[in-house]
Amino acid sequence: EVQLVQSGAEVKKPGESLKISCKGSGYSFTSYWIGWVRQMPGKGLEWMGIIYPGDSDTRYSPSFQGQVTISADKSISTAYLQWSSLKASDTAMYYCARRWKHYPSYFDYWGQGTLVTVSS
Amino acid sequence: EIVMTQSPATLSVSPGERATLSCRASQSVSSNLAWYQQKPGQAPRLLIYGASTRATGIPARFSGSGSGTEFTLTISSLQSEDFAVYYCQQYNNWPQVTFGQGTRLEIK
Repeated sequence: EVQLVQSGAEVKKPGESLKISCKGSGYSFTSYWIGWVRQMPGKGLEWMGIIYPGDSDTRYSPSFQGQVTISADKSISTAYLQWSSLKASDTAMYYCARRWKHYPSYFDYWGQGTLVTVSS
Repeated sequence: EIVMTQSPATLSVSPGERATLSCRASQSVSSNLAWYQQKPGQAPRLLIYGASTRATGIPARFSGSGSGTEFTLTISSLQSEDFAVYYCQQYNNWPQVTFGQGTRLEIK
């Protein structure tokens, strides 16, 4: 069974750093891209970026370039999303989702989401 | 960036009736269009890909159509579990994907 299991909810203060994770199982982790999607409270879905764990090829949405860092450790089938200095506006639910390595491809399985709350 | 526009923002339909949701792309995305369902407190779930192919386990009452810039998701006979928010997404413009703003399907 394909599963993407994300790390738990986080409460942070502005200016703090954070790294959340997404662990894949039940499939070949290096045959799929892992993407990250933001959903701010009461809002829609925004694509942030994507990584290919096979070679760590990473692409970012222009809206998120420089704001976050996406990485992966294929040895433990885990992808990461990190911030060096959080802002209150980073408060959101963050989802990881997998995407087949060949074009064209869509997100077929999603993690359960990680809620990040940034508040002083 | 390809902009996806969904209509209506909210759709009120009675159980057992048909629901028709629309999605328009600002430029052609061929058939590289997916639909997702999101219920409160849950992650999105893939319903349709390739504009018209149902994902594994999706009931036959869900159908998708269209190509180019105009797409439709139809739910033929609404069940109580179908009331949710629906998003379209284009994946034609690698690696970018863009989502529509969502249509909230509510019980009339």
